[in-house]
Amino acid sequence: KAGVTQTPRYLIKTRGQQVTLSCSPISGHRSVSWYQQTPGQGLQFLFEYFSETQRNKGNFPGRFSGRQFSNSRSEMNVSTLELGDSALYLCASSSRRFSWDRGRSGANVLTFGAGSRLTVL
Amino acid sequence: KQEVTQIPAALSVPEGENLVLNCSFTDSAIYNLQWFRQDPGKGLTSLLLIQSSQREQTSGRLNASLDKSSGRSTLYIAASQPGDSATYLCAVGEETSGSRLTFGEGTQLTVNP
Repeated sequence: KAGVTQTPRYLIKTRGQQVTLSCSPISGHRSVSWYQQTPGQGLQFLFEYFSETQRNKGNFPGRFSGRQFSNSRSEMNVSTLELGDSALYLCASSSRRFSWDRGRSGANVLTFGAGSRLTVL
Repeated sequence: KQEVTQIPAALSVPEGENLVLNCSFTDSAIYNLQWFRQDPGKGLTSLLLIQSSQREQTSGRLNASLDKSSGRSTLYIAASQPGDSATYLCAVGEETSGSRLTFGEGTQLTVNP
């Protein structure tokens, strides 16, 4: 069973550019969430998508956006890149079946991808 | 706002030692708590998930406990091995979404042969 696949694994951009990262969840998983990991702030929640709808959003500026497609694949976009956006961006999927499932069942074990490491120069 | 703290930040032990990693959280209204491991430059691997109604979970040499009332969790690793060297992260599931986790800063573990 294939895991969570993130592309690209590494990329370098310059300030002001935009970037799109892709995440393919485990087959059958409908929930996809995104996290940013930096040495200074640690792991921070960006947003979560379930059935093509954003269900939850972290405390990030509007330059960070995402979407989910009908096949559950997700993309996140960062516009007008800043140096501080340099980070490891991690995507995770879970087998949660219902949007209202708040984690009471065991379906909320998150499986993470290897991440996309973004460097902004 | 939920805050998660992990102690110690780094730990170095000789192979074979039993060890305990600590995690504390400020808001006891959690739905679950997960322990992950992260190898350098890699993503996260889920080790154990404890539901809010549970007290502990075990997997092989790993045992995680949860005390919601005191806002604490511990990860016990028995008979440590060099392959256990990694950063261990504790994360709590928030009330609004099971997929929104608040992470601690992690404990960097080194097991010396």
